[in-house]
Amino acid sequence: EADIYQTPRYLVIGTGKKITLECSQTMGHDKMYWYQQDPGMELHLIHYSYGVNSTEKGDLSSESTVSRIRTEHFPLTLESARPSHTSQYLCASSERAGTDTQYFGPGTRLTVL
Amino acid sequence: KQEVTQIPAALSVPEGENLVLNCSFTDSAIYNLQWFRQDPGKGLTSLLLIQSSQREQTSGRLNASLDKSSGRSTLYIAASQPGDSATYLCAASWNTGNQFYFGTGTSLTVIP
Repeated sequence: EADIYQTPRYLVIGTGKKITLECSQTMGHDKMYWYQQDPGMELHLIHYSYGVNSTEKGDLSSESTVSRIRTEHFPLTLESARPSHTSQYLCASSERAGTDTQYFGPGTRLTVL
Repeated sequence: KQEVTQIPAALSVPEGENLVLNCSFTDSAIYNLQWFRQDPGKGLTSLLLIQSSQREQTSGRLNASLDKSSGRSTLYIAASQPGDSATYLCAASWNTGNQFYFGTGTSLTVIP
């Protein structure tokens, strides 16, 4: 079983608040990812990282930012949350070389009022 | 633009039946394809990963096949059980595997 954690699991906040969604993995994986998923829709990649100090944007435009200061930690930050940010955010990781099996965390369901 | 499509969106079968879930993709130059299971309100669990050089992968009652020329992958579930009820997603990548494109999933219900 994969060891990848996300906190909080659920978050309800008001418009304009700054929030950080946490993601940590204990598998030593170099690659980490953030996806956004709306109900009944496909997952969209919003950010990914090859390793420490490496971050890239995915296909889906997002107002969020990420950082990768430590291998195990890949937090996502929204500086000023809006109702359009309401969604499920899923974090994943995979090994750098060899298989590209992605292991997912349980997700954070964000609601912005 | 790479796209991944899954049909049908929902499927109900009686317990014990064998079933096939379909996944199609637009570009045959695929790098790899992965099948996932998602339970309500939870993250994704990886089921099978097929590299572009492979034709199929098996794990227990699950068998996934890949036909690049036709742009299709199938997930075969043998002897379905109520515990198999979940949404099944396929995801494909077309470069070094850094970006996966997901389908919208097939919601499977196995009726006892």
